[in-house]
Amino acid sequence: AQSVTQPDIHITVSEGASLELRCNYSYGATPYLFWYVQSPGQGLQLLLKYFSGDTLVQGIKGFEAEFKRSQSSFNLRKPSVHWSDAAEYFCAVGALTPPRQLTFGSGTQLTVLP
Amino acid sequence: DTEVTQTPKHLVMGMTNKKSLKCEQHMGHRAMYWYKQKAKKPPELMFVYSYEKLSINESVPSRFSPECPNSSLLNLHLHALQPEDSALYLCASSNVQGPDPLWLSNQPQHFGDGTRLSIL
Repeated sequence: AQSVTQPDIHITVSEGASLELRCNYSYGATPYLFWYVQSPGQGLQLLLKYFSGDTLVQGIKGFEAEFKRSQSSFNLRKPSVHWSDAAEYFCAVGALTPPRQLTFGSGTQLTVLP
Repeated sequence: DTEVTQTPKHLVMGMTNKKSLKCEQHMGHRAMYWYKQKAKKPPELMFVYSYEKLSINESVPSRFSPECPNSSLLNLHLHALQPEDSALYLCASSNVQGPDPLWLSNQPQHFGDGTRLSIL
């Protein structure tokens, strides 16, 4: 079965600084990969997705992620963080074989300092 | 504003009550999902409906009963819940292009803002 690891439970960055959130997956083939963000009291919003093709994918709100097959990673990046980016970030994997539902990582809580 | 609407936003109920959570989407999506999310945890899948048929039931206790009356609506009927059932319940939908379960894994899901459920 597939699994997703987000090694950083909590990250703190200053506003304007760059950001990288780590995500590693375990799966026998290239899975479908997603990053979602959840602000307090709200549902999850899709930031970006990777299915195939260009390994650098652009998302909403200035986020990008790079798929690295050799490292089984799909790290999320943003060059300059805004205070409104403070939220919980979830990496998720969708598999080609059962179970076909999304498998979420445990999440990374982002705090942005003024 | 989200395109998946969940009502109510908050619900407090006793362990003997019967209540229902509702979810509605008008994006033409034919897959709909219920998740349970505890604080500081990722969402846990409960049920998936694909083309109005129950496709996945993740061994959820029978005190939770899903219903999909049409392609736009998804309900979750609650009865005799326990305090540990207190959580945020999220509904999601996705644009699957056929009933093949493959579509459940490769289409992004659109989430509502959830119902915050408290069991007294």
